[in-house]
Amino acid sequence: SQQGEEDPQALSIQEGENATMNCSYKTSINNLQWYRQNSGRGLVHLILIRSNEREKHSGRLRVTLDTSKKSSSLLITASRAADTASYFCATDDRGGSEKLVFGKGTKLTVNP
Amino acid sequence: EAGVTQFPSHSVIEKGQTVTLRCDPISGHDNLYWYRRVMGKEIKFLLHFVKESKQDESGMPNNRFLAERTGGTYSTLKVQPAELEDSGVYFCASSQGILAGVADTQYFGPGTRLTVL
Repeated sequence: SQQGEEDPQALSIQEGENATMNCSYKTSINNLQWYRQNSGRGLVHLILIRSNEREKHSGRLRVTLDTSKKSSSLLITASRAADTASYFCATDDRGGSEKLVFGKGTKLTVNP
Repeated sequence: EAGVTQFPSHSVIEKGQTVTLRCDPISGHDNLYWYRRVMGKEIKFLLHFVKESKQDESGMPNNRFLAERTGGTYSTLKVQPAELEDSGVYFCASSQGILAGVADTQYFGPGTRLTVL
């Protein structure tokens, strides 16, 4: 079964620095999504990238997708303390199921 | 536009009791999903409704879990009887549907934190 795996598991940076999180998965996908979860809160959808796309931007977020390597990266530029959260990638199943498969997440801490 | 809402936000029950969680999807979204995250583990899929029909319930852990979506609007997830290992956060998500053969973005609710003592 496929599985999104984020790397690193935890990341601590200073405000203003860039944060890069990686995700790997195992099987073919239709799309890959990144979500953020602030402590004790729900999942907030950040960005969806389809399998025929290689890069996508949204504000300070940049997502890349390499289907040949079955990997994706999420870059947050000019990080802020408010970016402190857990970040998850989620993949669907190209076989037809619409369920999302999540990794364990990267816990990002941005120090002021 | 209102997002996905879930009720209650927290529930603390004793082992053997029954709990019912409710999810109201985004208006107009035919697809409704339940997921859960138990302590220290990944967020796992439970089941998927398309309108009132169960499309995929492969993630339901056992027959103590019953999900319904009568009328194709809100959904309930009942756990009866609850066990200690059912503790975790239960998320609901909704999406508009298939777009050009590809699943659309799933929008998540805030989750219900269930604690079974």
